[in-house]
Amino acid sequence: EAGVTQFPSHSVIEKGQTVTLRCDPISGHDNLYWYRRVMGKEIKFLLHFVKESKQDESGMPNNRFLAERTGGTYSTLKVQPAELEDSGVYFCASSQVALAGVRSYNEQFFGPGTRLTVL
Amino acid sequence: AQSVTQLGSHVSVSEGALVLLRCNYSSSVPPYLFWYVQYPNQGLQLLLKYTSAATLVKGINGFEAEFKKSETSFHLTKPSAHMSDAAEYFCAVNTGGFKTIFGAGTRLFVKA
Repeated sequence: EAGVTQFPSHSVIEKGQTVTLRCDPISGHDNLYWYRRVMGKEIKFLLHFVKESKQDESGMPNNRFLAERTGGTYSTLKVQPAELEDSGVYFCASSQVALAGVRSYNEQFFGPGTRLTVL
Repeated sequence: AQSVTQLGSHVSVSEGALVLLRCNYSSSVPPYLFWYVQYPNQGLQLLLKYTSAATLVKGINGFEAEFKKSETSFHLTKPSAHMSDAAEYFCAVNTGGFKTIFGAGTRLFVKA
């Protein structure tokens, strides 16, 4: 079974340019997440899709970031225009809710990440 | 609100020595806890998870972690370090929702 894939693996752009990151989740996973790790800090949640709907976008830094998941399959994360502080590693994850006792838990499977460098 | 604290951004051990990576969490409800590992130039890989079953959890590559509610801890251990264990390790908490909260990570160095 293929895991979560992300493209590109690395991207180097100049400040002010636009970049689009892509994530393909594990087949059949309705939940898709974007996370970001900036400059060696903690990995932070950006947003969560259930199928094509945004369930939680509370972690999106500002309106320069736009995430889409057309058709509920792959997702894109666009940064426009990119700023220096956007540099970091962007992780995508997917999950299906699994049951464990009386509460469900959410094991998320992560992709390899896209390393974005804004110069 | 949930939070995760990993004590020590860098840990260095000799090959064959005990590995101990510390993680403390804060959660208002019983948590689900995870350890992930990121090897150089690779993605995040799940090492082990605690989901309210046994408090001592065994993972891959000889790692294990013990959930201690009284101490709000979930420390990761391995009896004998290998050079291949050199990586960055992340503790994470989830309370049954969809947002996973990560610690800042601990980079493990293994000396020959």
